[in-house]
Amino acid sequence: SQKIEQNSEALNIQEGKTATLTCNYTNYSPAYLQWYRQDPGRGPVFLLLIRENEKEKRKERLKVTFDTTLKQSLFHITASQPADSATYLCALDRAGGGNKLTFGTGTQLKVEL
Amino acid sequence: DAGITQSPRHKVTETGTPVTLRCHQTENHRYMYWYRQDPGHGLRLIHYSYGVKDTDKGEVSDGYSVSRSKTEDFLLTLESATSSQTSVYFCAISASESFSMNTEAFFGQGTRLTVV
Repeated sequence: SQKIEQNSEALNIQEGKTATLTCNYTNYSPAYLQWYRQDPGRGPVFLLLIRENEKEKRKERLKVTFDTTLKQSLFHITASQPADSATYLCALDRAGGGNKLTFGTGTQLKVEL
Repeated sequence: DAGITQSPRHKVTETGTPVTLRCHQTENHRYMYWYRQDPGHGLRLIHYSYGVKDTDKGEVSDGYSVSRSKTEDFLLTLESATSSQTSVYFCAISASESFSMNTEAFFGQGTRLTVV
């Protein structure tokens, strides 16, 4: 069955460092990959979308890579701040999938002073 | 924030009772979705809608039904609630115009449902 894996352990980093989160998938051929941020008690909030023919996407301090050979996406937050502390979710969709997203379980990021 | 409202925000109900959760949007988006979120499973799709009266099943649809009589409202019904349906339910909307167009999803604040 299709599986999306994100590091279930919390990632703790120091303020100002770059946080790198990983999303791996198996038995899946996504055409699109999205990253969301979720704060406790709230719904996910969209951050970035990358297509299978794009290797990298950037938005301000955020960068996403998508390697369909490795079946992996990396999500980077540069110059991290305590306000970046949250759970980050990756989500995949097939071509013609109608935005029916399949989500990973998320990685909790804690940015410490 | 996208105009999407879920009600109620919290509900406790007894096993065997029917429950309806409501999702209301003011964005006039065509696509609407219901997900549930449980520890260790992440968000899983229950049902989705691609237009008024057009709905289809998602990954975990057993025990759930949906209805969409208006563009702005998408209802999720648990016909006979069970303890396994205790979860946080999220509604989402998407501005996609077709199945081939992938765009960001906007999520509601969630409904915490407890079945006792």
